[in-house]
Amino acid sequence: QKEVEQDPGPLSVPEGAIVSLNCTYSNSAFQYFMWYRQYSRKGPELLMYTYSSGNKEDGRFTAQVDKSSKYISLFIRDSQPSDSATYLCAMSGGSSYKLIFGSGTRLLVRP
Amino acid sequence: EPEVTQTPSHQVTQMGQEVILRCVPISNHLYFYWYRQILGQKVEFLVSFYNNEISEKSEIFDDQFSVERPDGSNFTLKIRSTKLEDSAMYFCASSPEGNQPQHFGDGTRLSIL
Repeated sequence: QKEVEQDPGPLSVPEGAIVSLNCTYSNSAFQYFMWYRQYSRKGPELLMYTYSSGNKEDGRFTAQVDKSSKYISLFIRDSQPSDSATYLCAMSGGSSYKLIFGSGTRLLVRP
Repeated sequence: EPEVTQTPSHQVTQMGQEVILRCVPISNHLYFYWYRQILGQKVEFLVSFYNNEISEKSEIFDDQFSVERPDGSNFTLKIRSTKLEDSAMYFCASSPEGNQPQHFGDGTRLSIL
């Protein structure tokens, strides 16, 4: 079983749609959960950072963590063409600070 | 907004040659990291560095790799004798403390011929 699994997409939605991106993981030691956005030929850009279970909202973005199901989600409301990018989930925990990444989901928001 | 900067953006090197990738982390950050991303694959952890020493490294980070913080601002990754399979994007990251968010640079694309 892979440590972090993420549907690679691509996911194509019309402008204004609500987007749901998800990751599952197997390591119960993970406590810190992040979502990064990566545009072509750029580095990962931090979008959301959450600790343990619960929800966090920042503008059009909402991150959810369900540790009991080992499942995390990122919701994007009112999606814009500029949101078209690859979205990476990443997590860490236990005695290690290293990030374990998902494979990334490519999102295309059509005007 | 402060950012992590990496140079060069693209490095082309002959197999067997040494290469040094450079990074300037965010100035008040204490933890530094290198990751790599082979084309079409996941971002993979290489090494973390704190208080002038390696705090953790992956199986990828063998004797051919080394890291250094030669002065108060730069953080470097050296590959001693490059192999074809070292071709990848190499990302530097930094964080204020260990369990705080890591901020990434835009990477160095390393091409080994």
